[in-house]
Amino acid sequence: DAGITQSPRHKVTETGTPVTLRCHQTENHRYMYWYRQDPGHGLRLIHYSYGVKDTDKGEVSDGYSVSRSKTEDFLLTLESATSSQTSVYFCAIGEQGARYYEQYFGPGTRLTVT
Amino acid sequence: KNEVEQSPQNLTAQEGEFITINCSYSVGISALHWLQQHPGGGIVSLFMLSSGKKKHGRLIATINIQEKHSSLHITASHPRDSAVYICAACFSYNTDKLIFGTGTRLQVFP
Repeated sequence: DAGITQSPRHKVTETGTPVTLRCHQTENHRYMYWYRQDPGHGLRLIHYSYGVKDTDKGEVSDGYSVSRSKTEDFLLTLESATSSQTSVYFCAIGEQGARYYEQYFGPGTRLTVT
Repeated sequence: KNEVEQSPQNLTAQEGEFITINCSYSVGISALHWLQQHPGGGIVSLFMLSSGKKKHGRLIATINIQEKHSSLHITASHPRDSAVYICAACFSYNTDKLIFGTGTRLQVFP
């Protein structure tokens, strides 16, 4: 299994509070992705990174920011959490981009915003 | 609009049956991914293909570029194949963003 960890695995937070989710990899893969998964919508891309300090928005990026200061870590921040951001968040990595290479997924983080 | 549709949404089968899950997409793509999500939530990549056919064990994935359609086949299905199967498409040759289908839930009974 690819070495991908996500922390925390579960979090309950209140509306309006900031939240940071961490994705850590030991594979030295260039590409890293953040997705959210919701019933009826499937997986949707929030942001992705194609290198240190290089990021791009996905289809549901509003309300989220990301940072990648090291190859191994990709952080997802909810500046002011809302109930609509209650979801399961998955990180994924790839040696190359999704046009050329499969992705390996982390175990997921279940976030509840009350 | 770039869209990915899967059918059926739900599928039940008896052990040993041949399974087919379909995925269609709206416009040309650079790559098509098939994923498996276990009942516990973990997601595993099964295949990435841009043309033709790939096989891994009892799983076979095919893609028809002209018809904008891909299929995932499972031969000699087993209860451990019970999972949600998801297809995802990369719609451009200059982006690495995936658009996902909503998944097909497969249950295989002994």
